[in-house]
Parts: sequence; C-alpha cells; structure tokens
Amino acid sequence: AQSVAQPEDQVNVAEGNPLTVKCTYSVSGNPYLFWYVQYPNRGLQFLLKYITGDNLVKGSYGFEAEFNKSQTSFHLKKPSALVSDSALYFCAVIIGGFKTIFGAGTRLFVKA
Amino acid sequence: NAGVMQNPRHLVRRRGQEARLRCSPMKGHSHVYWYRQLPEEGLKFMVYLQKENIIDESGMPKERFSAEFPKEGPSILRIQQVVRGDSAAYFCASSEDRTYEQYFGPGTRLTVT
Repeated sequence: AQSVAQPEDQVNVAEGNPLTVKCTYSVSGNPYLFWYVQYPNRGLQFLLKYITGDNLVKGSYGFEAEFNKSQTSFHLKKPSALVSDSALYFCAVIIGGFKTIFGAGTRLFVKA
Repeated sequence: NAGVMQNPRHLVRRRGQEARLRCSPMKGHSHVYWYRQLPEEGLKFMVYLQKENIIDESGMPKERFSAEFPKEGPSILRIQQVVRGDSAAYFCASSEDRTYEQYFGPGTRLTVT
C-alpha cells in the first residue's frame, strides 16, 4: 500500500540547535513530496516540495529537505531552530497523479 | 490575491440536521480538495474536484456526504443527517494544477451536539 510515515509523534529541540523531522514514503513510481506546517487553529501552509532535480530542496522560513531515493526518505531540516518554529509538521506525497496522502504529523517543540 | 476562503469558520449542528460547508479557491485555481481532520490527527483525503466534475471521491463516506464545485460559485461539502462522529475540522485546499502544492483554507470546525 502506498503510504507516508512520520515515525516521531514529537520532536523537542533547543532554540539555536539544528532540527530534523523525519519522513519516509512508500509509493510506486517517482514521488512528488511535500512538507506543510500547521499552527494552532489554522490551515496547513506549504513549506517546500520535491518534484525532480536537486535532491536538496530549500523552502520557506529557512527550512530545507533532502530527498533520498535509496532510503525512500524526505527529512525536513533547519540549521538553527526558532521558538516560533513550534508547530505541527506534515509530510505528504501525491499518488495517482493527484491524490495527496498526508503523514500523521510530527509536533515540534522548540524551547528557548 | 486572496487566499482560500472557507465559511463558516465554526458550525454547530444538532444530530439529524444538515451541515453545508463552503470553500472559495484561490483565484485562478480550478482544483479543489476537501480533507477532514480529527483532533491531534493528520488530514484524511475526502474528495477532489475540478470545475463541475468530481474526479475522486474515494475518501468520502458513500452515505450522507456529497460535494460539488459548480461552474460559478464556491465548492460545497454537504453532510446530511449529521451524527456526533462527524464533528471534526474540515479543510478545503486548492491548487493551480493537480501536481502543484495545495493552498489551504482556515477550516470549518463542525460540532454536532
């Protein structure tokens, strides 16, 4: 079955430290991969996407993600976390040309 | 360019009533998606529409739920004879193309009493 997994329910980091939010996928064919962020009582906001090309994708707010085909992963990273980065992060993949499957989400807590 | 608009933001219905949720996509976007989110859970795909067409409704319950995206006006998600289990946040998203990133509305929080 085609799926997206976010193995960590929660990630805790100190402000200024690097952060990684993990995502692995299982799809047939070439994946279209996305990261979204959700703040409380808000809709999701697009952060970045991988369609093709360079495996390292840069997105909004200083986030980046690395596509690793052999490990079927698309981990979200940021070199230096901010308290304001605390939110719920969703990895997503498009299958069948249009249907988006979201991971269960990872809650990021950044402590001052 | 206004973002995706959803209304109402909060909707309270008694069991057995109908809930009607509206979504206006971003200007220029002809692809609309509806998702349901339960507290502390991810988004579950419900339906994907283009203007006047339902492309995929595989995530939508066969009974009581329907969706439309008419040529003019917003997309509508309709839930008939609501039950307590329908209580959730319903998000609409739109995109310029089906493989492009989606832009989400603020959601409608439905509470069934």
